[in-house]
Amino acid sequence: DIQMTQSPSSVSASVGDRVTITCRASQGISYWLAWYQQKPGKAPKLLIHAASTLQSGVPSRFSGSGSGTEFTLTISSLQPEDFATYYCQQANIFPPTFGQGTKLEMK
Amino acid sequence: QLQLQESGPGLVKPSETLSLTCTVSGGSISSSSYYWGWIRQPPGKGLECIGSIYYSGSTYYNPSLKSRVTISADTSKNQFSLKLSSVTAADTAVYYCARRYSSSWHYNYWGQGTLVTVSS
Repeated sequence: DIQMTQSPSSVSASVGDRVTITCRASQGISYWLAWYQQKPGKAPKLLIHAASTLQSGVPSRFSGSGSGTEFTLTISSLQPEDFATYYCQQANIFPPTFGQGTKLEMK
Repeated sequence: QLQLQESGPGLVKPSETLSLTCTVSGGSISSSSYYWGWIRQPPGKGLECIGSIYYSGSTYYNPSLKSRVTISADTSKNQFSLKLSSVTAADTAVYYCARRYSSSWHYNYWGQGTLVTVSS
């Protein structure tokens, strides 16, 4: 299986901050990467697929980049509703695998 | 608006079979564009893909669970189901049903999830 490693595991930030989360794959996955947001007690919500394609309805402050083995999710200006856990997922080779998650907490 | 709803027992005894059903509304599982899958999340931990099914019956199972997993679909009821046999406490998790495009492995619609606890 392809291993996905996110960093950091947690980050503290304030409303208005710019935040970047990194995801690394154990082998190249081209641009087949998705990002999800999960709030406590809720299902994950797809934010980005194909590394940089914003899912319909997702605010433009979210952006994704990268290819191969290194990817980033950036939130340009944090809003109160963005405090959550974020997961990357490789969508290149079966079985699809997820990173361990990055918890974004309020400073 | 597509909706997915998981249902099934919230408590299963060790060594027994976990059975869950996902009822889909606002869309058809017979669509040729999608696979329908199951993902689980142990309490406080990360996400694991269990497997997925196409309306024709074609399935993908995670090799780590393949020997214990069966996913089936009932197009007449617009439902698909998960069976996981010989469960242990390690199978305690929130189980989500979800939809993905047949051309990709990411999931764009998810059910709310249901907690299944394995305990005697």
